[in-house]
Formats: sequence, C-alpha cells, structure tokens
Amino acid sequence: DAKTTQPTSMDCAEGRAANLPCNHSTISGNEYVYWYRQIHSQGPQYIIHGLKNNETNEMASLIITEDRKSSTLILPHATLRDTAVYYCIVRRNYGQNFVFGPGTRLSVLP
Amino acid sequence: EPEVTQTPSHQVTQMGQEVILRCVPISNHLYFYWYRQILGQKVEFLVSFYNNEISEKSEIFDDQFSVERPDGSNFTLKIRSTKLEDSAMYFCASSLETGQETQYFGPGTRLLVL
Repeated sequence: DAKTTQPTSMDCAEGRAANLPCNHSTISGNEYVYWYRQIHSQGPQYIIHGLKNNETNEMASLIITEDRKSSTLILPHATLRDTAVYYCIVRRNYGQNFVFGPGTRLSVLP
Repeated sequence: EPEVTQTPSHQVTQMGQEVILRCVPISNHLYFYWYRQILGQKVEFLVSFYNNEISEKSEIFDDQFSVERPDGSNFTLKIRSTKLEDSAMYFCASSLETGQETQYFGPGTRLLVL
C-alpha cells in the first residue's frame, strides 16, 4: 500500500471549515483513499473514501487532486466534538487490513 | 445503525494468565479483524478472518494469539499467556466483504496486564 504523509497537528476555530491535507504521491491506480478518525481512545470511525472523484457525505467532503497524489478532507463546520486524530489511509483494492499512520491531531478551538 | 460491539470494555489480568476478548460484528458482515493500539502508539493490524479461517496475520500475531468464531455471532481473540507488553486497546472490526469495502470498528477493550 502507498504511504501517506499528514501534518502532525492542526487547529481550527469552531464553526469554520477544517481542511486536512494528505499526500500520497506513490498511490497506484487501484488504490482508494480512506479517511478515519479516532476520538480520544475510541475505535477508529469511518468518515469517507474515494478513488478518483470528489466525494461528499453527511460528515465530510473528500477532494482528490486530478493526479491523485494528494487529497483534502473537509469538515465544513467544525465543532468541538470533531477534535480527534484523523487518519488518511491508502488501501489497495482487495487488501484486507488498514495500515494506520500517526495521523493529524485536529484541535477545534472555541 | 448497526455497530460492532466488544466486551469487556476493560480487563485487568496477571501476567501469564489467559484472556479472551469478545466481539459481536455487524450481523451481515463476512470479514472480521483484530487490531491493537498500545498507549500513545499507532493502531496496528493483528489478524483478519474469513470463512472460519485466518486470511492474513501480522508479525505481532504469534502463537500466543488465536481467534475463533464459536457461533454465528461472536468473534473472539484469545491471548494464551499474557505478557506485560500485551497491555493495549484491542479493536475488533468487520466488513461486508474485502476489497475496498469499509471496515467498521468497535469501541475497543482496554487490556492491562500486571
């Protein structure tokens, strides 16, 4: 699976959009980009995933660049409950496990 | 919304004792996984399980570990003789199918080995 690079930490003001970047320059054609988050020591929570096209669901939007070498997770109106570690994971098709990196620690500030 | 559940939420044991961690995956899911997270470290894959057998395991998953699906709903992780370094959060996950299918994680069991 391709490796990902994320900033160690970020801050965001409550109510503003949180934009979390991820670099995956060695991604191959059949690898998906997944985002999970972990609030305190809870189990990782699925947020969104995509292959080529931008995706949106009730939690977030995922913007993938045309060359697929990077992506951005957008939380449109961050709340204090969005404070968590966010993991960007590139996973090959038909892979069976996720490889978690250190992620980005997002702090949403009042 | 269906979710993965795990019991117990906390377990304290003495070194050398056996522990069994239990998970109830989402009911129509076919693939089951165990991950662990030592305090302050990354989430690490242990093992995946499909059709009543292990499909993949990591180097961490040595002979001290075993997994079982004893009935139609439970999925267990057994550690035969616990060591101090087994202290960690253990997360169960399940997915409908492998490939690009999303894995859904349980809340975890915090294991403390004394």
